[in-house]
Amino acid sequence: GQQLNQSPQSMFIQEGEDVSMNCTSSSIFNTWLWYKQDPGEGPVLLIALYKAGELTSNGRLTAQFGITRKDSFLNISASIPSDVGIYFCAGQPKASSGTYKYIFGTGTRLKVLA
Amino acid sequence: NAGVMQNPRHLVRRRGQEARLRCSPMKGHSHVYWYRQLPEEGLKFMVYLQKENIIDESGMPKERFSAEFPKEGPSILRIQQVVRGDSAAYFCASSISEKLFFGSGTQLSVL
Repeated sequence: GQQLNQSPQSMFIQEGEDVSMNCTSSSIFNTWLWYKQDPGEGPVLLIALYKAGELTSNGRLTAQFGITRKDSFLNISASIPSDVGIYFCAGQPKASSGTYKYIFGTGTRLKVLA
Repeated sequence: NAGVMQNPRHLVRRRGQEARLRCSPMKGHSHVYWYRQLPEEGLKFMVYLQKENIIDESGMPKERFSAEFPKEGPSILRIQQVVRGDSAAYFCASSISEKLFFGSGTQLSVL
């Protein structure tokens, strides 16, 4: 089946540093969503991307829909301790248009050191 | 997560019992999705429902698992004769467009 490769798997950073993570696939996607999940909770939607090349910001978060439509990137600027959590990308495959059936990446576990 | 309600938050069952997980979508949303998450893994699609219809159940195990979204009331994910391997977090999401909004999940533990 289709897979999303998300990297890095985990990262430890100092407070104030910028963070970058990405998702890649061999398949084409129509929509990308980025989520943050805290322990014991459901994923919370951070950013939605709908067009190739689109760059969207939400506060200190910026995400981009790759030009090839096979990848997406999330950046967090000036990280703070509450950014800790697991970040997931989710892609809607072109073949699943209209069903909103998303494939999730394996997550990036972020830990911020004060 | 605001609006998508799941209950119970935690459910403990012994092997062979039945588990019923409930999900009420956000007001005005007519699409419901169920996902399963194992520890240290991403979410895996199980089933997509609209009111009274199963649209896509390609991620659902063929046996023991069923889902419904009746005209009135919440969506139900039912697992019959649970086994230890069914232990996981089950998340429901609803949508009205391309955005999925998730509930807080039900953590199922099978003893």
